[in-house]
Amino acid sequence: GAVVSQHPSRVICKSGTSVKIECRSLDFQATTMFWYRQFPKQSLMLMATSNEGSKATYEQGVEKDKFLINHASLTLSTLTVTSAHPEDSSFYICSVAGGDRNEQFFGPGTRLTVL
Amino acid sequence: GQNIDQPTEMTATEGAIVQINCTYQTSGFNGLFWYQQHAGEAPTFLSYNVLDGLEEKGRFSSFLSRSKGYSYLLLKELQMKDSASYLCAALDSNYQLIWGAGTKLIIKP
Repeated sequence: GAVVSQHPSRVICKSGTSVKIECRSLDFQATTMFWYRQFPKQSLMLMATSNEGSKATYEQGVEKDKFLINHASLTLSTLTVTSAHPEDSSFYICSVAGGDRNEQFFGPGTRLTVL
Repeated sequence: GQNIDQPTEMTATEGAIVQINCTYQTSGFNGLFWYQQHAGEAPTFLSYNVLDGLEEKGRFSSFLSRSKGYSYLLLKELQMKDSASYLCAALDSNYQLIWGAGTKLIIKP
C-alpha cells in the first residue's frame, strides 16, 4: 500500500496563530488526498477532498477560508488552519486512496492543541 | 440519509473470540472496510468486503451480507495488543467512505 507521512506530528500554538500541516505520499502519486478531523472518542470526520492542481472540495459545515488546502503536486497536500482557536484542537489525519478498491492509506496524524 | 451503526464499546478476555457488528445504510454500495485504530494513532487497514461471505485473514475475519446491510469483524485468539478501536466504513456510490463511530475493544487478562 501507499506510504503517507504527515508533518508535524504534534503542534501546540497560541490562539489566533495559523498552523500548516503537510501530508506527503511517499511512494504513490496521489491526484486526490483526503483531510479528516477526529475529536476524542469520535469517528473520523471528512473535512475536504484535496485535488491536485485544482480547488479542494469541502464538506458541509467546514469553512474553506479557515481551513486552507493546497495540493500543489502529486505527492504533497497542505492544510493550513488559519487563526486557530481552542475548539480547533483535534487530531488531523490525511489519507490517499488507491487501488481498484479505493482503499485509503492514512498518514500518522497531527495532534493540534490550541491554547 | 447515510448511516453506519456499531457498538460503542465491547469487552473481551485474552485468548477468547469477539465479534464486532456493523450495520450500514448508504446511497449505493461499493464495499465495506474495517480499520483498526490504536489510541492517538491513525487507522490501519484490516479488511475489505464487497461480495457476500466471509474473508479470513489470520486471526481476523470479516463477513458481509449486502442484502441485510450487515457486516461483522471476528477476532480470534485475542491478544492484549488487540485493544483498540475498530472502525467500520462503507463506500457509497460516489466512492466516498462513510465512517462509523468506532467500537472500542477492551481486552482483559
